[in-house]
Amino acid sequence: AQKVTQAQTEISVVEKEDVTLDCVYETRDTTYYLFWYKQPPSGELVFLIRRNSFDEQNEISGRYSWNFQKSTSSFNFTITASQVVDSAVYFCALRTLGKTSYDKVIFGPGTSLSVIP
Amino acid sequence: DSGVTQTPKHLITATGQRVTLRCSPRSGDLSVYWYQQSLDQGLQFLIQYYNGEERAKGNILERFSAQQFPDLHSELNLSSLELGDSALYFCASGGRGYGYTFGSGTRLTVV
Repeated sequence: AQKVTQAQTEISVVEKEDVTLDCVYETRDTTYYLFWYKQPPSGELVFLIRRNSFDEQNEISGRYSWNFQKSTSSFNFTITASQVVDSAVYFCALRTLGKTSYDKVIFGPGTSLSVIP
Repeated sequence: DSGVTQTPKHLITATGQRVTLRCSPRSGDLSVYWYQQSLDQGLQFLIQYYNGEERAKGNILERFSAQQFPDLHSELNLSSLELGDSALYFCASGGRGYGYTFGSGTRLTVV
């Protein structure tokens, strides 16, 4: 079975603090993709990053960084020097690719991040 | 602008009614996915269409149906609406293996 767990329901940090959002996934497939999406208060879902299961290189994009560890089935997301605009709900998601095009993305429950000025 | 267009943005309707939500995928994307986001259920996958054919089904109620037309736009039909159907309905499009691109969603309120 496929599952995505985001154990942190809500996090509050003070502006300029670093914050890490945890994501743990379960799948028996060897080929899969992991994603992070941001949902600001306006409601839209914004794609942040995609990683495939064969690429464990960590990635940094500005203040954002991602740590992918297959050994622990985790794909954590760190925001450095957080800003008020980072306040949003963040979703981790898993997509497996079967032998056909029958696939779907499973989302975690989301972590609500509040950055306090 | 994500390239995925959803209409309408907001919809208020009464219980028992039927509504149709529309989605136009990003240019070049053959797949359309529908998701429901409610407060207590999170983001739930409903159904996927690929080039006009249904490809995967999730937690979609029998009162709900969808289709994808030859021009690749998709419609999600919700009938016999109940209060619990109030939610944000997202459409997404994407290529195989890539991240979805989501539309801005349709907020449905059933009163």
